Amino acid sequence: DIQMTQSPSTLSASVGDTVTITCRASQSISRWLAWYQQKPGKAPEVLIYKASTLVSGVPSRFRGWGSGTEFTLTISSLQPDDFATYYCQEYTGYSTFGQGTKLEIK
Amino acid sequence: QVQLQQWGAGLLKPSETLSLTCGVYGGTFTDFYWSWIRQPPGKGLEWIGEIHHTGDTNKNPSLESRVTISIDTSKKQFSLRLRSATAADTAVYYCASGGGHETLDYWGQGILVTVSS
Repeated sequence: DIQMTQSPSTLSASVGDTVTITCRASQSISRWLAWYQQKPGKAPEVLIYKASTLVSGVPSRFRGWGSGTEFTLTISSLQPDDFATYYCQEYTGYSTFGQGTKLEIK
Repeated sequence: QVQLQQWGAGLLKPSETLSLTCGVYGGTFTDFYWSWIRQPPGKGLEWIGEIHHTGDTNKNPSLESRVTISIDTSKKQFSLRLRSATAADTAVYYCASGGGHETLDYWGQGILVTVSS
């Protein structure tokens, strides 16, 4: 089984800040890594696939990077709508989610 | 635009079988994977498993012995059954389009299933 370790679990930031979330895979997953945003009471929404490709309509302030076992999601110039919980997901055939990162307003 | 609508019992007693169905409206049903994911209250997402339109399935090893995922292409529906439910299975259950090397692009509305005596 592939394990996904996501950090930090909580992140406090202000509007306008830049933040980075890290996701590490227990073995190489090439670039089969997606990032999702989830708001309270809602289903997750995919933001990025294949580690760095933005889903159509997702603002360019979201940036994904990485391959193999190390991945990051960077959000620049945080907007009020960005405060949510973020999950990484490996989708190599089976699937595993990271534990999630709650991005809070400082 | 693909829409997923899910239904099923929201309250179970321990040892009963959880049963949920997801209907797919719009879009193409074949040539895709269809997935189930759950989220215990206040916790993270857990992948349960997926089914291809051909009927091939992949399941989370930790749940595999209790999970059946089936598909009815004529009705554009897929279903989840989880046997011998316990309180640890209490969660919001989501269906979603995607799986395999596809991301989970469209999601159902989610159903809270509570297992309690």
